[in-house]
Amino acid sequence: AQSVTQLDSHVSVSEGTPVLLRCNYSSSYSPSLFWYVQHPNKGLQLLLKYTSAATLVKGINGFEAEFKKSETSFHLTKPSAHMSDAAEYFCVVSAVSGSARQLTFGSGTQLTVLP
Amino acid sequence: DSGVTQTPKHLITATGQRVTLRCSPRSGDLSVYWYQQSLDQGLQFLIQYYNGEERAKGNILERFSAQQFPDLHSELNLSSLELGDSALYFCASSASSGSYGYTFGSGTRLTVV
Repeated sequence: AQSVTQLDSHVSVSEGTPVLLRCNYSSSYSPSLFWYVQHPNKGLQLLLKYTSAATLVKGINGFEAEFKKSETSFHLTKPSAHMSDAAEYFCVVSAVSGSARQLTFGSGTQLTVLP
Repeated sequence: DSGVTQTPKHLITATGQRVTLRCSPRSGDLSVYWYQQSLDQGLQFLIQYYNGEERAKGNILERFSAQQFPDLHSELNLSSLELGDSALYFCASSASSGSYGYTFGSGTRLTVV
């Protein structure tokens, strides 16, 4: 079985300051991990993915995440927040379940960027 | 444009009715997934099809059914609708294994009144 926990339901930062969105996962097998972003009334867009290559993963719009197996974490960071980053962010684990690979979504973190 | 097309974008219908949501996957993707997003339940996996065959089932109600056609588009049928079925329904597609992530459509917002 697999699960993912997003440790903060809401994060608020000022424009130009760093962003940290925390995610812990649980998986019986070597997982693939993803971060998706959802802007209001929009679909989900893939930000970045970890698939057992480099542990530091760079994504779009300046975001990156580090896979730490010992801590079972996959936190999302960005050095400097922009107003356009305000959205909901989902940490996702993908692992084989039965005969299929399934995604399990975290409950989401709402990021607010203050001017 | 993600390459995954969902229609319609919005749907308003009455309780007890039946609706069909349509999804065309990204070109070359064989797997289609359906998800329901509601305020109280978050994102819930409903069902997956791979090349026309059902591959996995999640929290899909018996009143709901889906299929994937030979041209790989998929339809999600929701019947005997209840107020609680109001949600955003997303379709996603992936290459065979899905290990490199899914591409999501922009969703269908269903409102049951």
